[in-house]
Amino acid sequence: AQKVTQAQTEISVVEKEDVTLDCVYETRDTTYYLFWYKQPPSGELVFLIRRNSFDEQNEISGRYSWNFQKSTSSFNFTITASQVVDSAVYFCALSGDRTGFQKLVFGTGTRLLVSP
Amino acid sequence: GAVVSQHPSWVICKSGTSVKIECRSLDFQATTMFWYRQFPKQSLMLMATSNEGSKATYEQGVEKDKFLINHASLTLSTLTVTSAHPEDSSFYICSAEDRYNSPLHFGNGTRLTVT
Repeated sequence: AQKVTQAQTEISVVEKEDVTLDCVYETRDTTYYLFWYKQPPSGELVFLIRRNSFDEQNEISGRYSWNFQKSTSSFNFTITASQVVDSAVYFCALSGDRTGFQKLVFGTGTRLLVSP
Repeated sequence: GAVVSQHPSWVICKSGTSVKIECRSLDFQATTMFWYRQFPKQSLMLMATSNEGSKATYEQGVEKDKFLINHASLTLSTLTVTSAHPEDSSFYICSAEDRYNSPLHFGNGTRLTVT
């Protein structure tokens, strides 16, 4: 079965601090995708990244970076120099070839509070 | 970019009534759409897969007679919560895939409150 664990329920930081959100996954799929979504208070899901299981290269996009390590089944997300607008719930998600790549299994989310 | 529109954004209804939620793909055709449910401060759980022109596929534990899904066209899927009860109060959000292997596009969600 597929499972995504986000052990951090809530993280509070002060603006400009760096913060890392952890994501650990379990899957028996050979090919799978990992995702990160941001859910601001308004509720919509904002897509941040999708990573194929065969691509372990780390990725950087502005203040965001992702560290994918297959050896530890982790796909961690780091925000550098956090800002108040980064306050949201962040979800890590997984899909795989057995159940279909478009059917996502979500983690329980990490609520990030960035204070001025 | 591809957009998925969901309507209404929020709805309040009385217990026993039915509520219809629409999910539209605005600039692409979606043969498959997905309906998720999110209870307050919890994760999103897949409820069902909506297939254009055929019956929806429901996840284990989801009552298909209570959550009716109709995917009558390539741009529209509807979720009807029948005989709603307070425990059906939740945030419902849909997603759709286009045919170009793009990441899933999510709607803005519908917050349902049943009084």
